[in-house]
Amino acid sequence: EAQLVESGGGLVQPGGSLRLSCAASGLTFSDYWIHWVRQVPGKGLAWVSVINPDGSATNYADSVKGRFTISRDNAKNTLYLQMNSLRADDTALYYCAGGYRWGQGTLVTVSS
Amino acid sequence: QAVVTQEPSLTVSPGGTVTLTCGSSTGTVTSGHYPYWCQQKPGQAPRTLIHDTNRKQSWTPARFSGSLLGGKAALTLSGAQPEDEADYYCLLSYSGTFVFGGGTKLTVL
Repeated sequence: EAQLVESGGGLVQPGGSLRLSCAASGLTFSDYWIHWVRQVPGKGLAWVSVINPDGSATNYADSVKGRFTISRDNAKNTLYLQMNSLRADDTALYYCAGGYRWGQGTLVTVSS
Repeated sequence: QAVVTQEPSLTVSPGGTVTLTCGSSTGTVTSGHYPYWCQQKPGQAPRTLIHDTNRKQSWTPARFSGSLLGGKAALTLSGAQPEDEADYYCLLSYSGTFVFGGGTKLTVL
């Protein structure tokens, strides 16, 4: 069964950095555009970033542009999100989504 | 950045039909926005229902269908079941960036 599993979330201070990972199994990872989506608990979904199958093209929401970097390692079937200069309003559950599947999310909390 | 609009809440009777819509602040929604719909139940991750306007996943119940209607993307549920009570989100593509709507809370009552 196809599965996406996020990891790397946690508590970080404002201005800090964090790297999220999303490990894929059961699907041909290198075939798919993969997205990061976040959700503040109790609120709606917000699109964050996308990367094309070979990693040569990326795009970002205005709210994270210049601070977040999406990347992928197709040999490891893994997606990444490097998050720098984190702010309180980046606090959310972060999902990866690709191949029409979603992971369960990893929680990022930015607080002093 | 474009704004994508959805009905905040809708109610449907069991066995009834309801249409959820997804509009764009930039104008008419077309197939070129690659409309996407997902369902999210409390405490769960979202689940894809429809992509590319009307293409279903293998797990999408037949009672769900996607279309373009009146300048918007639409998700129609025909024969609502209690288990369809959930939040529904649409996602539109804008030349490589994407925007979610605010979601529709669907109540089956």
